[in-house]
Amino acid sequence: SYELTQPPSVSVSPGQTASITCSGDKLGNKYASWYQQRPGQSPVLVIHQYNKRPSGIPERFSGANSGNTATLTISGTQAMDEADYYCQAWDSSDVVFGGGTKLTVL
Amino acid sequence: QVQLVQSGAEVKKPGASVKVSCKASGYTFTRYHIHWVRQAPGQGLEWMGIINPSDGGTGYAQKFQGRVTMTRDTSTSTVYMELSSLKSEDTAVYYCARVEFQALHIWGQGTMVTVSS
Repeated sequence: SYELTQPPSVSVSPGQTASITCSGDKLGNKYASWYQQRPGQSPVLVIHQYNKRPSGIPERFSGANSGNTATLTISGTQAMDEADYYCQAWDSSDVVFGGGTKLTVL
Repeated sequence: QVQLVQSGAEVKKPGASVKVSCKASGYTFTRYHIHWVRQAPGQGLEWMGIINPSDGGTGYAQKFQGRVTMTRDTSTSTVYMELSSLKSEDTAVYYCARVEFQALHIWGQGTMVTVSS
């Protein structure tokens, strides 16, 4: 079965750029989406179709996807961005999630 | 506004079944597929399956084949997820989510299902 691999944790200082990676076989040939989940809340879509932001998502969130790696970049990271982040792709007709990355804003 | 509202928390005994509902509002119910995703305590997101509200067609993750059933009621714009033969490992928050452009754009608030003897 298809697998997506994320680092368990990433740390960033406020105002700096955070990058979270997601690796999977030929992932660049698929649409990769990213979700933010704060404790006790439902996931929120932040990036879809490579680099599109839903309404209400700040411009500091961006995405890239090439080769075997998709990357979520948060520019000018704020304290409110501290959360778990999940990548997601489709394998045939199945949805696959990465294991999640805990972003800590120190 | 577009929203998905799920049923309340459930406590079940091992071996029992649970049926979680997800009521859609603010859009044409039959236009968008609905997915079910679960999250065990302290764990990541796990995809369970998909239902097409238009024709009731379903697709389930292999892990849940034979144990999960997804249905819909177009008269009330509600989809249901029933999981049978519950085990303690099924204790989780269960989410429904609406798909658009191959991403899960709108999520329900989640339903906590606890399986305990």
